[in-house]
Amino acid sequence: DTGVSQDPRHKITKRGQNVTFRCDPISEHNRLYWYRQTLGQGPEFLTYFQNEAQLEKSRLLSDRFSAERPKGSFSTLEIQRTEQGDSAMYLCASSFPIQPEAFFGQGTRLTVV
Amino acid sequence: KQEVTQIPAALSVPEGENLVLNCSFTDSAIYNLQWFRQDPGKGLTSLLLIQSSQREQTSGRLNASLDKSSGRSTLYIAASQPGDSATYLCAVPPTIKAAGNKLTFGGGTRVLVKP
Repeated sequence: DTGVSQDPRHKITKRGQNVTFRCDPISEHNRLYWYRQTLGQGPEFLTYFQNEAQLEKSRLLSDRFSAERPKGSFSTLEIQRTEQGDSAMYLCASSFPIQPEAFFGQGTRLTVV
Repeated sequence: KQEVTQIPAALSVPEGENLVLNCSFTDSAIYNLQWFRQDPGKGLTSLLLIQSSQREQTSGRLNASLDKSSGRSTLYIAASQPGDSATYLCAVPPTIKAAGNKLTFGGGTRVLVKP
């Protein structure tokens, strides 16, 4: 088990472009979470899945954001028409539902220029 | 709405000194509290999870205490080393179990241990 894996680690994109990030959770973890972290702040919850079902979305997740977990394994987070305010670290975490400990990936650092 | 605060935002100590990091939360009906470490530009590493029924949890030089009634947790790091330099974050899940395990984080304490 190699832990939670995120790809890419870094992404620089021009304003207005679309970007997609991938998260591979720890195998057998059926809960998967996305968070966003801006510089000097703690992570903020975006959305979470139990298996393939998206159970909750934060109000931070505007219409330009969409997340999927098609087969209950890996997940993707897409941002359409990126804005400079989207620049942040995007973190993925996974956990078992009955065990509370969350394990995080290394994150994807997005820079919108 | 649960709010989590960590004070101070930054801390600098000489090597060998004990570190005391504070975390406070507004809703005391928590199920657990988790402490994380984050190195610059990296993800979060789980350090300790302390259940609501516990008062303390220890791992090596780390000790976390929890006082639900006062809405506080403290992370102690004994005999600090330069390698302990990082940002330390605390986080709590929702107070309603059915709301999943999404975490509410404090803003973190950035620690610098000077050799």
